[in-house]
Formats: sequence, structure tokens, C-alpha cells
Amino acid sequence: QVQLQESGPGLVKPSETLSLTCTVSGGSISSYYWSWIRQPPGKGLEWIGYIYYSGSTNTNPSLKSRVTISVDTSKNQFSLRLSSVTAADTAVYYCARLEREIQTGTYSLGYWGQGTLVTVSS
Amino acid sequence: DIQMTQSPSSLSASVGDRVTITCRASQSISSYLNWYQQKPGKAPKLLIYTASNLQSGVPSRFSGSGSGTDFTLTISSLEPEDFANYYCQQSHSTPWTFGQGTKVEIK
Repeated sequence: QVQLQESGPGLVKPSETLSLTCTVSGGSISSYYWSWIRQPPGKGLEWIGYIYYSGSTNTNPSLKSRVTISVDTSKNQFSLRLSSVTAADTAVYYCARLEREIQTGTYSLGYWGQGTLVTVSS
Repeated sequence: DIQMTQSPSSLSASVGDRVTITCRASQSISSYLNWYQQKPGKAPKLLIYTASNLQSGVPSRFSGSGSGTDFTLTISSLEPEDFANYYCQQSHSTPWTFGQGTKVEIK
């Protein structure tokens, strides 16, 4: 059973860069797409982006050029960097594995990490 | 971006009730619609993918239907463990977007 675990600082200062890593265990990071999603306290879910194990990415334009998603197959990890953070970036950040539906080729978020709260505050 | 609108935003129901949650997309998304359940302090859990396919391990009292712009999640007989938040999500086109959520509370 694949498991995902987010790690990184729980507190980031405004204007600095938020950096999180998702470690995948119980399976290989290869041949899958991997995603980041966030949820501000008491609010709904926002998709941040995804990365293929080969390194190709797709990110939410709402976050413009602040987001970088990368993968390290040797460590079975993928990472999120979000620059120039503000209080609006305070959220629980989740990593997840995409599951592909064979017939339609579409995707869902099948496996999730437990999430990690990142607070942006001075 | 495709906007996803769920209704109702919250509902109160009793154990054993039949519950239906609706999700409407701002444009046609074919059947590219997923449903998730989230309990307080926990990560979302995939229930239904591609509108009507039950994720492995999910009880059969959950079902999904719809295509185009209108979708429903139905819980045929509510169990105590079903009280949670439910979200729809479109995977038709990026940026993927979620509904605002429906909170199912105990009456």
C-alpha cells in the first residue's frame, strides 16, 4: 500500500519561500503523476499542480510563476516550492498520487498524504 | 477556469436517511468528475471517480451519476461514519477545480 508523507517547516515568514517535500513509500514514484493540493483553515480545496515522474509539470495559473514542483526519483520524493508567500498562503498542504482511469484516460487523486499545516507569519 | 458549484452547502440528516448532493459545472466536463469525503483533521478520501465508478474499498451505499454539467452523489442509507464534508472535483481540464464542499451533519 503506497503511503505519502509531507515534510517541511510549519512556519514561514512573509515574502520568503515555502518548501515542502513528499516522500513516497510502499511503491515507486516512477510511472505515476504526483500532485500538490492545499486547503486554507476552514475552507475548501485548491489544486496547486502536478508532476510526472519524468519531470513534466502542470501548475495552477492562479499561483502564476510562484510555484515550482520537482521530483527526485532516486529518493522517491517530489517537492513544492512557493515563493513570495503571504498570509493567504497559510493552509494545510497535501501531496497525492494521481490514479488514471483506463477507459477514459482521466485522473483522480487516489492516495493522499496526511497533510501538513504551513503558517505564514512574521 | 471551470467553476464547480455544490448544493446544498450543508445538510442535516439522520442515520438511515437517503442523502443526495449535487455538483454543477460551469461548462460540460463529460464524465470527468470525482467525489471525495473529508473528515475533520483528515485528508480527503476518493469515493467516486469518473462520475460513477466506486473506488475500491468504498461501501456500495455510495453512488455517483451524471454527465455534462450536472452530477449527483447519493448515499443510500446514511451511516454514523458518513458524517463528513464532501467535495466534487473536475479533471476535464486544468486548472483542476473543486466544489466548495457539502457538510453532512447529524440531525
